[in-house]
Amino acid sequence: DAGVIQSPRHEVTEMGQEVTLRCKPISGHDYLFWYRQTMMRGLESLIYFNNNVPIDDSGMPEDRFSAKMPNASFSTLKIQPSEPRDSAVYFCASSFLRGRRDTQYFGPGTRLTVL
Amino acid sequence: AQTVTQSQPEMSVQEAETVTLSCTYDTSESDYYLFWYKQPPSRQMILVIRQEAYKQQNATENRFSVNFQKAAKSFSLKISDSQLGDAAMYFCAYRDYSGGGADGLTFGKGTHLIIQP
Repeated sequence: DAGVIQSPRHEVTEMGQEVTLRCKPISGHDYLFWYRQTMMRGLESLIYFNNNVPIDDSGMPEDRFSAKMPNASFSTLKIQPSEPRDSAVYFCASSFLRGRRDTQYFGPGTRLTVL
Repeated sequence: AQTVTQSQPEMSVQEAETVTLSCTYDTSESDYYLFWYKQPPSRQMILVIRQEAYKQQNATENRFSVNFQKAAKSFSLKISDSQLGDAAMYFCAYRDYSGGGADGLTFGKGTHLIIQP
């Protein structure tokens, strides 16, 4: 399997623009997670889905952030409008809960820079 | 809310020596998982080791082992025979299991591990 795929790997945009980050989870996985990593706040959980349904979005920082999972093989994280403080690395991870065990496999991340 | 604390921002060890990274956590739950993830300069997050809270036996994976002290809420990572490839940021992470399903991870701030040749 190719692992979790994220695109783009790097994104540079200007303040006020809409940004869309994309994620393709590992085939067969039923959980998908979005995380954000910054120097100041470290790694934070933003939202996660189970079978394409959002379960916990309590980590989404503001209404400017939205996430969707229209099918089992694709998810997006959108920021509209973007601000410089949104600059971070955004990770997508997926997992398959088997009994009590699940391992989250992370994608390579998207480095977002908002000027 | 659960919190994870890594009190060592940076550690340095000689190649082939042993190093221990510390992690403490705070939770009111009794059923949870703990993890150590490695993040090399490539920024890829790699699972190193996992511990289930209901298991008393400490997890081991080759040169990596943990010391899990549930009462003290402590979860340290020991790396034996350190290798240059072990140089990375190491993150301790917690996941609640009380709901019976998967959940987002709560991470510590990380420890930067330097391996001296």
